[in-house]
Amino acid sequence: AQSVTQLGSHVSVSEGALVLLRCNYSSSVPPYLFWYVQYPNQGLQLLLKYTTGATLVKGINGFEAEFKKSETSFHLTKPSAHMSDAAEYFCAVSENNAGKSTFGDGTTLTVKP
Amino acid sequence: EPEVTQTPSHQVTQMGQEVILRCVPISNHLYFYWYRQILGQKVEFLVSFYNNEISEKSEIFDDQFSVERPDGSNFTLKIRSTKLEDSAMYFCATTLRNTEAFFGQGTRLTVV
Repeated sequence: AQSVTQLGSHVSVSEGALVLLRCNYSSSVPPYLFWYVQYPNQGLQLLLKYTTGATLVKGINGFEAEFKKSETSFHLTKPSAHMSDAAEYFCAVSENNAGKSTFGDGTTLTVKP
Repeated sequence: EPEVTQTPSHQVTQMGQEVILRCVPISNHLYFYWYRQILGQKVEFLVSFYNNEISEKSEIFDDQFSVERPDGSNFTLKIRSTKLEDSAMYFCATTLRNTEAFFGQGTRLTVV
């Protein structure tokens, strides 16, 4: 069985500050890991994914995440927050099929001017 | 950029009625999924579909639910005898194979 824990249901940062959204997972096999962003009343947009290979993955909108197997983590970061980054962020894990994923509870990111 | 299209964007139905949610997958994709997101909660897997049959389903996906791809293009989720607790956003997702899932914009179902 697989699971995802996102620490912090709400994160608030100032514009220009570092964004750090935490995600820990459990999986019985090497995982596929994903971060999705959801803007109000919209669908899920893939930010980035880890499947194999390089553990630091870069995504859209300046986001990146690092897969740390020893810590079972896949935290999402962005060096400098922008107002347009305000949204809900979901971490997800998949064991062997990228379509069937288990999602975390989500983290709402607020960016203050 | 290819996209997954879902219709309708919003459906209001009376309790006990049947609803059909539709999804047009990306043309060469082979695996299809439905997810549900109750307002303010996380996204939950409902069912996966491959080669015209269900490959996996969650506990949520009981006899009230069914899926099919009747004409080789649309992928549908049918909910029979809707209940208030079925109110949620329903997302369709499709993949080619072990690649990223592309999600549709969702259908907001409101049961009154």
